[in-house]
Amino acid sequence: NAGVMQNPRHLVRRRGQEARLRCSPMKGHSHVYWYRQLPEEGLKFMVYLQKENIIDESGMPKERFSAEFPKEGPSILRIQQVVRGDSAAYFCASLGENEQFFGPGTRLTVL
Amino acid sequence: AQSVAQPEDQVNVAEGNPLTVKCTYSVSGNPYLFWYVQYPNRGLQFLLKYITGDNLVKGSYGFEAEFNKSQTSFHLKKPSALVSDSALYFCAVRDTGYSNYQLIWGAGTKLIIKP
Repeated sequence: NAGVMQNPRHLVRRRGQEARLRCSPMKGHSHVYWYRQLPEEGLKFMVYLQKENIIDESGMPKERFSAEFPKEGPSILRIQQVVRGDSAAYFCASLGENEQFFGPGTRLTVL
Repeated sequence: AQSVAQPEDQVNVAEGNPLTVKCTYSVSGNPYLFWYVQYPNRGLQFLLKYITGDNLVKGSYGFEAEFNKSQTSFHLKKPSALVSDSALYFCAVRDTGYSNYQLIWGAGTKLIIKP
């Protein structure tokens, strides 16, 4: 039973490029959360999705960031026109009975 | 307002000594409480949870936590610390007074176990 999968594990982009981060939840899980973490800091909630539905995007920046969780395939966090301040670790989690299960994260570096 | 407080940014403990990482919370409904651990450059791993029942819950790696309703606390404990326990620990709460499945996260406590 595979855990939460995220890819890529490391992503390097130049300023102005687009970053696409993928998350496949655990089998049977239909709720996905995205978080951002800066070095030596805590988790910052970004968005909470169910299949084909955004439940809560209160933590998402209003511009350049978007997320989706289609009926088929992984959840995608998309960052357009990346800036250096977007450099961080992005974690996805899927919801089990009560607890969230985390993926290994994608470390985004913007040059 | 919903909140989780981890009052210590860092806790230092000698190997073999007992450890405590503190967590207090504020919610409107009944709390579901969680502890997670994060090792360097890794994702978060679930340690233990309190949903209902016994106030003392046991989790992975010999950790346990005690739910104290009157003090609104859920401190993480281990009787004898190992150097390998050094990591970042996060407390989280779900407020069952709300219908969503969001977790409110503490800021994290860095635990350093010295040999």
